[in-house]
Amino acid sequence: GQQVMQIPQYQHVQEGEDFTTYCNSSTTLSNIQWYKQRPGGHPVFLIQLVKSGEVKKQKRLTFQFGEAKKNSSLHITATQTTDVGTYFCAGPDSGAGSYQLTFGKGTKLSVIP
Amino acid sequence: NAGVTQTPKFQVLKTGQSMTLQCAQDMNHNSMYWYRQDPGMGLRLIYYSASEGTTDKGEVPNGYNVSRLNKREFSLRLESAAPSQTSVYFCASSGTGSVQPQHFGDGTRLSIL
Repeated sequence: GQQVMQIPQYQHVQEGEDFTTYCNSSTTLSNIQWYKQRPGGHPVFLIQLVKSGEVKKQKRLTFQFGEAKKNSSLHITATQTTDVGTYFCAGPDSGAGSYQLTFGKGTKLSVIP
Repeated sequence: NAGVTQTPKFQVLKTGQSMTLQCAQDMNHNSMYWYRQDPGMGLRLIYYSASEGTTDKGEVPNGYNVSRLNKREFSLRLESAAPSQTSVYFCASSGTGSVQPQHFGDGTRLSIL
């Protein structure tokens, strides 16, 4: 079945440093979604990328979708303590009528004040 | 704005007991999902319901059953709980198809002794 891999699994950064997490799929994706989960909370949708090579920004967050639509990245500029949490990417399961999302295992971000 | 409501929030069971986790959404979404989240494993899909009246297995369905009671409600049942089912369970809903973002409930933290 489809696999979605994320690296790194953990990242500790000093407040103000940049952070990047990478997502790779074993298959070509029609779209990719990113979610954030705060400690003790639930996943919250951040953004969806659909087009090959697409780049979207949300304030200090930059999301990219690869040209081959098999990889994606999330970059945070000048991290803040409010960025703490786990970031997940998710892509639709191509073999399941497009109702299922396969989630990566996530990157847990810690920000040291 | 209730969104997706899950009950209960916490539960402790003994091995062999049965339990139903409840989920309701007020966003008029067609699709609903049950996930489990274990440390380091990300979110794994247990069952989903693409629309009212249909349910399908996800990645880890063994030991669980579901009921899509109506458009709003999607319940998850553990018939004979096992310690391996200790986890955090999330219900989610979305519009039709995997291109729609998923909205998650606050989760149920379930411990099986």
